[in-house]
Amino acid sequence: GQNIDQPTEMTATEGAIVQINCTYQTSGFNGLFWYQQHAGEAPTFLSYNVLDGLEEKGRFSSFLSRSKGYSYLLLKELQMKDSASYLCAVRDSNYQLIWGAGTKLIIKP
Amino acid sequence: IAGITQAPTSQILAAGRRMTLRCTQDMRHNAMYWYRQDLGLGLRLIHYSNTAGTTGKGEVPDGYSVSRANTDDFPLTLASAVPSQTSVYFCASSHKNTGELFFGEGSRLTVL
Repeated sequence: GQNIDQPTEMTATEGAIVQINCTYQTSGFNGLFWYQQHAGEAPTFLSYNVLDGLEEKGRFSSFLSRSKGYSYLLLKELQMKDSASYLCAVRDSNYQLIWGAGTKLIIKP
Repeated sequence: IAGITQAPTSQILAAGRRMTLRCTQDMRHNAMYWYRQDLGLGLRLIHYSNTAGTTGKGEVPDGYSVSRANTDDFPLTLASAVPSQTSVYFCASSHKNTGELFFGEGSRLTVL
């Protein structure tokens, strides 16, 4: 079966750095997405990786290793507004998105 | 403002009733999707449409139907609602089936 694993919840301190991991087992691979979802709101796109390596976008970076079935989202200089759930999703060989359950990130002052 | 509009935003429904969730996008995206999101679970695909006139079943299609008469609209119908369909429903669209998804604000449905 297809599976996406992420930690359920993480806590970090304002101003610090946090890494949210995602491991996947899917039938085929056509890219990995990270989305941010604030409580009660819709998911919004953060990043897309299809090749191995690190993609940097401001305070957020996303890394992919296809051989290991692994990705992480790195958030730097954490702000209170970064408190949200972070969703990892993989597009499989049929171009369907398989979603992880999300990681709830709690930022403390 | 371009985007996706869902209606209603919230609804309480008696079991056995018929309900249609509406979704309209003005981005001229080809692909549209309906997901449900339940606590502790990832987004689960109900139905999708890669282009106007075509639809396909997702992971959890039972009890739901969709239509795609034109590019902009993608309504989701529950023919006879059951309590297990209590969930938050998100409509989404993408330019192609390989692109990033843009989500509507969600419709919170409670079936009693």
